[in-house]
Amino acid sequence: AQTVTQSQPEMSVQEAETVTLSCTYDTSENNYYLFWYKQPPSRQMILVIRQEAYKQQNATENRFSVNFQKAAKSFSLKISDSQLGDTAMYFCAFMKPNAGGTSYGKLTFGQGTILTVHP
Amino acid sequence: NAGVTQTPKFRILKIGQSMTLQCTQDMNHNYMYWYRQDPGMGLKLIYYSVGAGITDKGEVPNGYNVSRSTTEDFPLRLELAAPSQTSVYFCATRGYGPYEQYFGPGTRLTVT
Repeated sequence: AQTVTQSQPEMSVQEAETVTLSCTYDTSENNYYLFWYKQPPSRQMILVIRQEAYKQQNATENRFSVNFQKAAKSFSLKISDSQLGDTAMYFCAFMKPNAGGTSYGKLTFGQGTILTVHP
Repeated sequence: NAGVTQTPKFRILKIGQSMTLQCTQDMNHNYMYWYRQDPGMGLKLIYYSVGAGITDKGEVPNGYNVSRSTTEDFPLRLELAAPSQTSVYFCATRGYGPYEQYFGPGTRLTVT
C-alpha cells in the first residue's frame, strides 16, 4: 500500500516571499501520478499542480512549481511570490492509475500542511 | 456547468439515525468517489464507482453504502449513524486521461 507523508504540520511565509512544502511517499510502483491540492477555508479542494512519474521535467503552473525526486520519493511544492490568497491547507496526494481493485484511480493523501501567508 | 454538486452542505444527526448524502455531476465522468476528511487530516476513500451499476469499497467503507444507477448520481447512505462518522464528506469525479479528480464542495456532518 502507498503512504504519503507531509512532515510540516504548519508553515508561514511573508507576502511576496517563497516557501517550500515537503512531501515524501512510499511505493513500489514505477508509474504513478502525484498531485498537490489546496484547501482554503471555504473547504473546496482545488488542484494546484500534477506530476507524472515518467516525466523527468518538473511541473510548473505560474507561481507554483515542484521538485520531483523519483529515486528519493520526494515531491515538494514551491510557491513563489506568495499571496494572501495562498493561505490554505495543502495536501500532497498519490495516484496509481487504473490498476484495478481498491486502488482503481484512488488518491492517497498526506496529512496536510497549513500554510499561512502574512501581510 | 455546475461541475460536482453535493447536498446538503451541513447536517446534524442523532446517533442511530440514517441519511443519504447526495452527489451529482454534469461532467459525464465515469469514475466517482466518496471521501471523508476528519479534522486536521487528509481525505480517506470510502467507496468508489467506475460506472453506472459498478461500485466497490475503499479504505473505510464500514457503516456506509452506495449505489450508482446513473452516470450523474452517486449517493452515499449512512445507516445507524455513530459519532465516529462525524466528518466532512467529499464527492469527486474523474474522467479518462489526465487523472485529475474534481471535488464537490463537501458536506459537514455531525453525529451527536
